[in-house]
Amino acid sequence: DQQVKQNSPSLSVQEGRISILNCDYTNSMFDYFLWYKKYPAEGPTFLISISSIKDKNEDGRFTVFLNKSAKHLSLHIVPSQPGDSAVYFCAAKDRDKIIFGKGTRLHILP
Amino acid sequence: EAGVTQFPSHSVIEKGQTVTLRCDPISGHDNLYWYRRVMGKEIKFLLHFVKESKQDESGMPNNRFLAERTGGTYSTLKVQPAELEDSGVYFCASSAGTGWNQPQHFGDGTRLSIL
Repeated sequence: DQQVKQNSPSLSVQEGRISILNCDYTNSMFDYFLWYKKYPAEGPTFLISISSIKDKNEDGRFTVFLNKSAKHLSLHIVPSQPGDSAVYFCAAKDRDKIIFGKGTRLHILP
Repeated sequence: EAGVTQFPSHSVIEKGQTVTLRCDPISGHDNLYWYRRVMGKEIKFLLHFVKESKQDESGMPNNRFLAERTGGTYSTLKVQPAELEDSGVYFCASSAGTGWNQPQHFGDGTRLSIL
């Protein structure tokens, strides 16, 4: 039973535009959320995180939004660049472990 | 600073054989984690070491899997005997602590193929 859900397996976005990746979770006890980025044959790389007491966290081109009432978070990438093409994992921290979604493959089109 | 390193990068063995995966965490990181991703599924937690002690092994699938971290440095994950359903990518991660501002850093994984 998936606790972190990424319902879009893939997303294509034009270079320079905004990429929006969505994620839903089921456990209201989660208090910390993360996004990881993964290139082929590499491990996931930490990108950005947000505490459940906040609704937004920004780091350069990356912004994560959290809507606790809807149990929904999203990652915005502006502007999208070719190097952003990768698989993005939404994740939640459950004490010491990370619970991952299945990932969304982002394609940045030239 | 060297990242998390895993060896081998790829292992192909036959069903019933034994395989040992190794993980070297980032120097100074007391916390070490094992995860795995089976084909088509999400990355799933296996266990967590704090130094040499197993803090949480709730994700270990069965007793064919044995993880050790003698001396609190590198860790090994042994699968004995390997079964077909054990195929997947095994990731190791490490962190300095478990707080919200101490993310887990992942290695590139070991791709395990059981024939």
